[in-house]
Amino acid sequence: SQQGEEDPQALSIQEGENATMNCSYKTSINNLQWYRQNSGRGLVHLILIRSNEREKHSGRLRVTLDTSKKSSSLLITASRAADTASYFCATDVGNEKLTFGTGTRLTIIP
Amino acid sequence: DSGVTQTPKHLITATGQRVTLRCSPRSGDLSVYWYQQSLDQGLQFLIQYYNGEERAKGNILERFSAQQFPDLHSELNLSSLELGDSALYFCASSRSGSSSYEQYFGPGTRLTVT
Repeated sequence: SQQGEEDPQALSIQEGENATMNCSYKTSINNLQWYRQNSGRGLVHLILIRSNEREKHSGRLRVTLDTSKKSSSLLITASRAADTASYFCATDVGNEKLTFGTGTRLTIIP
Repeated sequence: DSGVTQTPKHLITATGQRVTLRCSPRSGDLSVYWYQQSLDQGLQFLIQYYNGEERAKGNILERFSAQQFPDLHSELNLSSLELGDSALYFCASSRSGSSSYEQYFGPGTRLTVT
């Protein structure tokens, strides 16, 4: 089974609203990364949060990490049509490879 | 544009055949990672090379092999292809050999096995 599981699997919101997606994982991590993928294209790195960090911001993105609950959330504020994409969390458990979750498909309705 | 290039963009071939996918990392990046993305398996890590040496191995089949050349470009060889090998194949690169840094993904090669 996947190390990271995103929730929800799919999310549709109106443009301008905030979008929140969650990632849960099973084992202790060194860091957790979020990536975006537009349909059929390569993944784009969004943000990396290390295990000793609790929150990180980048523009309209806010990521939180709760290592006690083994979960992370990605918040996109003031969503835009261009944010329509799939979002993946990826965990680094120190074995030199990232394990990607199943993704959340976000649709922004204009 | 991530700076990572992959060729070809699309590949259609028959079962039993062998193909080679090529990846050029970003300038200055020493690590290359290969991933397979399919609808049923999601995004799966296959293998990583760092400065010419195999660094980490994931769910890579024995029919698949890879290498990284002195100029740091990498090739993924898929042989005895089966219908189930149809997928998007991505390579990614990073400066470090550690997975604790961001990876830059190429646009992918879409492989269709008929």
